[in-house]
Amino acid sequence: GAVVSQHPSWVICKSGTSVKIECRSLDFQATTMFWYRQFPKQSLMLMATSNEGSKATYEQGVEKDKFLINHASLTLSTLTVTSAHPEDSSFYICSARVGTGLHEQFFGPGTRLTVL
Amino acid sequence: AQKITQTQPGMFVQEKEAVTLDCTYDTSDQSYGLFWYKQPSSGEMIFLIYQGSYDEQNATEGRYSLNFQKARKSANLVISASQLGDSAMYFCAMREGPGSARQLTFGSGTQLTVLP
Repeated sequence: GAVVSQHPSWVICKSGTSVKIECRSLDFQATTMFWYRQFPKQSLMLMATSNEGSKATYEQGVEKDKFLINHASLTLSTLTVTSAHPEDSSFYICSARVGTGLHEQFFGPGTRLTVL
Repeated sequence: AQKITQTQPGMFVQEKEAVTLDCTYDTSDQSYGLFWYKQPSSGEMIFLIYQGSYDEQNATEGRYSLNFQKARKSANLVISASQLGDSAMYFCAMREGPGSARQLTFGSGTQLTVLP
């Protein structure tokens, strides 16, 4: 299957700093990328959907000024957590879609963010 | 209302036995897709199996099969001949309707533990 990478795989930062997470589709062009957030022992919650070259669509309750998403190309999307606080500590997972088929969606390995 | 319901927070199975993980869904769309993902402790989401709403046959992928009962709106995952490496979190997910921008909605997950 297609490969999606995320960088970094884990990051620890101080409260108030910003953190950027990259999501890349390595061997395909992703029409759409999704960002999920997962707290321990919980399910994946969709944060936003982004299409290359257009603004991301955020889910209800997700602050777009806090979680900045840039989908600069068909192979790269970035999530920036601005002015991070301890409550932003979570596992962030990106996912990329290729084509219009119902099951062409691939997940990155996730990024574990810890804010001190 | 929950779109995807997984009623088993945790399940235990003896190695080499079969196990069924339950999933029910709620949608008014005629076209939808049902997915099962495995998430080991490393965090990566591993796609296991897919069932389309119009598929007449139950999906099978190796040791995984999906018991699709459309009238009951259930899509249970059956794992045959369980292995120790099957111990992980399992998520049922649904994508409603056609279109590449539709997102996956996940259930709360079932933690499966395979006993030696």
